[in-house]
Amino acid sequence: DGGITQSPKYLFRKEGQNVTLSCEQNLNHDAMYWYRQDPGQGLRLIYYSQIVNDFQKGDIAEGYSVSREKKESFPLTVTSAQKNPTAFYLCASSIRQGTGELFFGEGSRLTVL
Amino acid sequence: KNQVEQSPQSLIILEGKNCTLQCNYTVSPFSNLRWYKQDTGRGPVSLTIMTFSENTKSNGRYTATLDADTKQSSLHITASQLSDSASYICVVSAPSGGSYIPTFGRGTSLIVHP
Repeated sequence: DGGITQSPKYLFRKEGQNVTLSCEQNLNHDAMYWYRQDPGQGLRLIYYSQIVNDFQKGDIAEGYSVSREKKESFPLTVTSAQKNPTAFYLCASSIRQGTGELFFGEGSRLTVL
Repeated sequence: KNQVEQSPQSLIILEGKNCTLQCNYTVSPFSNLRWYKQDTGRGPVSLTIMTFSENTKSNGRYTATLDADTKQSSLHITASQLSDSASYICVVSAPSGGSYIPTFGRGTSLIVHP
């Protein structure tokens, strides 16, 4: 079945460590996104990519980095520069010329110890 | 600044009862409005999409309405079930260079008690 796969589901990190969250999709979607979700807040856009080898900063990109070397993959690295990284991270994809529907993965919960 | 405001923030109802969630937005220009359902610890899933010309759209026990003049939308859930317990997120999209920029509401947390 087509869909978006995020891994790991749960991740624990010590302060000062970089961690990478994986996002893979087999929907043949051009656009991919990373969102951060905190309790009581709406989803906030970290980075997005409309095509391979190109990506743009979202509203809260500081302390994060991404790459888009393949259409199917859009990994997110949470660096030690991110001061408050504990959150629920959601990856999504969409058809570039569609209705804008976002298809989300199951999320990755990162906890900094 | 584009904003999407949802109310109430949380809602508790008994199984079998109906409920209505509200969404007000200031997004302009407007392309479409979606309601997503997000189960705890899962990714959101689209329930309905509405464009400017649509007033009502149903998906099973979920009925969304849109008043583009007052920039308000509602999501009505009929005969609630325990599985309806989730967060419901209103997302309004603006067109941008052949793509869309979504603005997310903070969601309404619905708890259905037996």
